[in-house]
Amino acid sequence: DADVTQTPRNRITKTGKRIMLECSQTKGHDRMYWYRQDPGLGLRLIYYSFDVKDINKGEISDGYSVSRQAQAKFSLSLESAIPNQTALYFCATSRGHGYTFGSGTRLTVV
Amino acid sequence: AQKITQTQPGMFVQEKEAVTLDCTYDTSDPSYGLFWYKQPSSGEMIFLIYQGSYDQQNATEGRYSLNFQKARKSANLVISASQLGDSAMYFCAMRPFNAGNNRKLIWGLGTSLAVNP
Repeated sequence: DADVTQTPRNRITKTGKRIMLECSQTKGHDRMYWYRQDPGLGLRLIYYSFDVKDINKGEISDGYSVSRQAQAKFSLSLESAIPNQTALYFCATSRGHGYTFGSGTRLTVV
Repeated sequence: AQKITQTQPGMFVQEKEAVTLDCTYDTSDPSYGLFWYKQPSSGEMIFLIYQGSYDQQNATEGRYSLNFQKARKSANLVISASQLGDSAMYFCAMRPFNAGNNRKLIWGLGTSLAVNP
C-alpha cells in the first residue's frame, strides 16, 4: 500500500456539485497539505494542517474547505465546483525534511 | 520575495549522457532546504534529492547529484547516465526554515526532460 493514498484517482463532476477528495497516510506524519497543480503555474498550496486541531489557509483557499478527521486523514472539499477548479490535486505529508506526495487526483469540472 | 526559478522549460539529452537542470532561488532566510522532485507522465510526484543550506557537501542520491552553489543561489540537478525512464517533468522546490514559513514548499515551474534513445 502507498504511504499516502488519494481517492479518487480521477473524477469528472458537473459545475455546482459538491465534491470531496480524500487523503489518508500511513507515514505517521502530523503535517499534511493539499496542493493544486495547473500547467504553467506549478504547484500551489490550498490548505495545510499541522495536527488534528490546526488548519491553515494556503495561497489559494477560496472555493475550498478541508477537514482533518484524524492524524492520518485529511480531506479537501469543493463546495460548489467550477470549471477553473479543473486541475491535478496532490495531498502531501511531512516530517522533518521529508515530504511524501500521494499519486494525485485528476479532477475535471464540466 | 521567496522564489524558485527554473529557466529551462524543456531539455533534451541523449541516453547514457549526463544532463544538468538549472534551479536558482531567492530567499532572505539564512537557513533553508532545497528539493528536487520528478513527475512522470503518470502524474505522481517523486522525491529525488534534498540539500540543506548548511550542508557542507553537495547531496548525492544514486545517479542524482545536486550542484549547490550557495553564493550564487543555485541548486542545479545533475542526472548522470540518463535513462529513457528519466523522461519526465522535474521540479525544484525550497523550504525556508523561518518560524513563519511553517514548512511550506515554494515551487518552480518545472523543466520537461526528454531522453532520446
